[in-house]
Amino acid sequence: DADVTQTPRNRITKTGKRIMLECSQTKGHDRMYWYRQDPGLGLRLIYYSFDVKDINKGEISDGYSVSRQAQAKFSLSLESAIPNQTALYFCATSDFGLAGPNNEQFFGPGTRLTVL
Amino acid sequence: GQQLNQSPQSMFIQEGEDVSMNCTSSSIFNTWLWYKQDPGEGPVLLIALYKAGELTSNGRLTAQFGITRKDSFLNISASIPSDVGIYFCAGQRSPGNTGKLIFGQGTTLQVKP
Repeated sequence: DADVTQTPRNRITKTGKRIMLECSQTKGHDRMYWYRQDPGLGLRLIYYSFDVKDINKGEISDGYSVSRQAQAKFSLSLESAIPNQTALYFCATSDFGLAGPNNEQFFGPGTRLTVL
Repeated sequence: GQQLNQSPQSMFIQEGEDVSMNCTSSSIFNTWLWYKQDPGEGPVLLIALYKAGELTSNGRLTAQFGITRKDSFLNISASIPSDVGIYFCAGQRSPGNTGKLIFGQGTTLQVKP
C-alpha cells in the first residue's frame, strides 16, 4: 500500500464549485504539505502543517484553504474554483528527525484538477 | 516567486551517454534535494544533500552541494531508457529548518535507445 494517498486522482469541475482534495499518510510524519504543479513552473507550495494545530500559508495560498483533521490527514479546499486553478496537486509529508534537520519530503501520486 | 534556476530545461540524449543538470540561486540554501518525476506520478526523492561541498551517490546518480551553498548539480552516468522523466532540484533556505522547499522548474530528460 502507498505511504501517501490522494483522492480523487482526477476531477473535472465547473467554475464556482467547492472542491476538496484529500490526503492521507501512513508514514507517521508530523509535517504535511500541499503543492500545485504547472507546466514549466515546477512545484509551488500552497499550505503546510507541522502538526495538527499548526497550519501555515505557503507561496500561493490565495483561493485555497486547508484542514488538518488528524496527524494522518490533510485536506485542501477550493472554496470557489476558477479556471486558473487547473493544475496537478500534490500532497507531501516529511519527518523532523531527532538527529537534526530532515527536509526530505515524500509525495503522493497527485490529483489532476480541471476547472471549466 | 521562483528563486531556483534549473538548467537545462530539456535534454534528448542517446542511451549510454552521461547527463548533467544543475540548479543555481542568488540566495544561500542549507539543503538541496533532487527528485525524479515519472509521468502520472509524484516526485520521488533521489538524493538529499545537507552540507556545503557534500558529494553523494545513489547508483548511477551523483549530486553535489556547491561550496558557495548557492548551487547544486546532478549527474547521471551511462543513461538508460528508464531514466526518462522530469528531474527537479529543491532547496531550503537558511536559517532554520522550516521545511519549506523551493523547487526548480525541472529538467525533462528523454533517452533514445
